[in-house]
Amino acid sequence: GAGVSQTPSNKVTEKGKYVELRCDPISGHTALYWYRQSLGQGPEFLIYFQGTGAADDSGLPNDRFFAVRPEGSVSTLKIQRTERGDSAVYLCASSRLAANTGELFFGEGSRLTVL
Amino acid sequence: GESVGLHLPTLSVQEGDNSIINCAYSNSASDYFIWYKQESGKGPQFIIDIRSNMDKRQGQRVTVLLNKTVKHLSLQIAATQPGDSAVYFCAETRGADGLTFGKGTHLIIQP
Repeated sequence: GAGVSQTPSNKVTEKGKYVELRCDPISGHTALYWYRQSLGQGPEFLIYFQGTGAADDSGLPNDRFFAVRPEGSVSTLKIQRTERGDSAVYLCASSRLAANTGELFFGEGSRLTVL
Repeated sequence: GESVGLHLPTLSVQEGDNSIINCAYSNSASDYFIWYKQESGKGPQFIIDIRSNMDKRQGQRVTVLLNKTVKHLSLQIAATQPGDSAVYFCAETRGADGLTFGKGTHLIIQP
């Protein structure tokens, strides 16, 4: 597609379960970002990929969160042993270069609800 | 705490009027700023950006002003339309890569 695609758009899970969220960036964009957005808040940085490698994962809240981008395109955010506090919208964004050289293009997000 | 924030959580303006959304930042080393618009249920959408070597930049119906002396950023929207109703975020570079977002201002356009 033309834009950043995220699946699923909505995910409801139970506390303690494992969740995967997928991001398909714009073709040719080397930079990929994951953000988390809680209700009424701005997006909060989680992790940044340049190509296949995680250039900056300082925003991941703890070791239950992990993300991969094995072929430098699609990325998966993985959350183990989900907690109710993980409920949020998880946004993915991509850019042709790094964020400080151009705009980020965001997907519509994956809304995660942990019961 | 956050290095980027907004003065007003909600701003209500009459359709056709101009609106000004303000943002304060605390990282004097930030050199790139972006305004995003987010409609309900959607991801943030780029509006306009500005680098720290500029103090003003204009787009279509939008103008961003940067005052580095007081670390203040504003977004001016001319002749607001119903489609301008959304939450607006300012964002600044967080070091070399990525952006730090503020909490957002909800702009409401009254008919």
